[in-house]
Amino acid sequence: AQTVTQSQPEMSVQEAETVTLSCTYDTSENNYYLFWYKQPPSRQMILVIRQEAYKQQNATENRFSVNFQKAAKSFSLKISDSQLGDTAMYFCAFMKRQGAQKLVFGQGTRLTINP
Amino acid sequence: EAGVAQSPRYKIIEKRQSVAFWCNPISGHATLYWYQQILGQGPKLLIQFQNNGVVDDSQLPKDRFSAERLKGVDSTLKIQPAKLEDSAVYLCASSPGTSGGAGETQYFGPGTRLLVL
Repeated sequence: AQTVTQSQPEMSVQEAETVTLSCTYDTSENNYYLFWYKQPPSRQMILVIRQEAYKQQNATENRFSVNFQKAAKSFSLKISDSQLGDTAMYFCAFMKRQGAQKLVFGQGTRLTINP
Repeated sequence: EAGVAQSPRYKIIEKRQSVAFWCNPISGHATLYWYQQILGQGPKLLIQFQNNGVVDDSQLPKDRFSAERLKGVDSTLKIQPAKLEDSAVYLCASSPGTSGGAGETQYFGPGTRLLVL
């Protein structure tokens, strides 16, 4: 079974700073997908960024980028030039490439951006 | 494009009562998921449908939980009888379900917050 671990329950940074959220996972699969989802307070969960394990290039989406280290089973999220609207719970999630397409989530990191 | 709709948004019940949640996925999405998110934890999959068939219900407590998606569109999740530990947010998500669904983005609804007293 796959497990996802987020070791930082809470983080807090000042607006415009850069912040990195950590995620490690455990799997015996070779092909899979990794995701970061954002859940703002009282709002629905939305996808931030997606990484395909068979691609060595790290995914980027505007101010969001990942550092994917397959051998170390590490998948961190970097948010550059943080904004107040980035305040949310962030969940790292794993999905196998084959079989049922369920997401296995970590426990989440509560990120607060301070003005 | 309308997102995933869920109702009700909030529900408070006594233990041993029954409750039902409804989900309408994004139009055309073949795959529908129900997740349970207990406070302070990440969501956990309860059941996955592909059209009107069950793909994965391995973590659904079948002695008290049931779900259906009869016409392959909207879905209902029921709990009967409810226990205190069922207090959680129940999230519905959908994805297109093309190409076997590998790596597809899942689109989440706003969730139903259940409190069992």
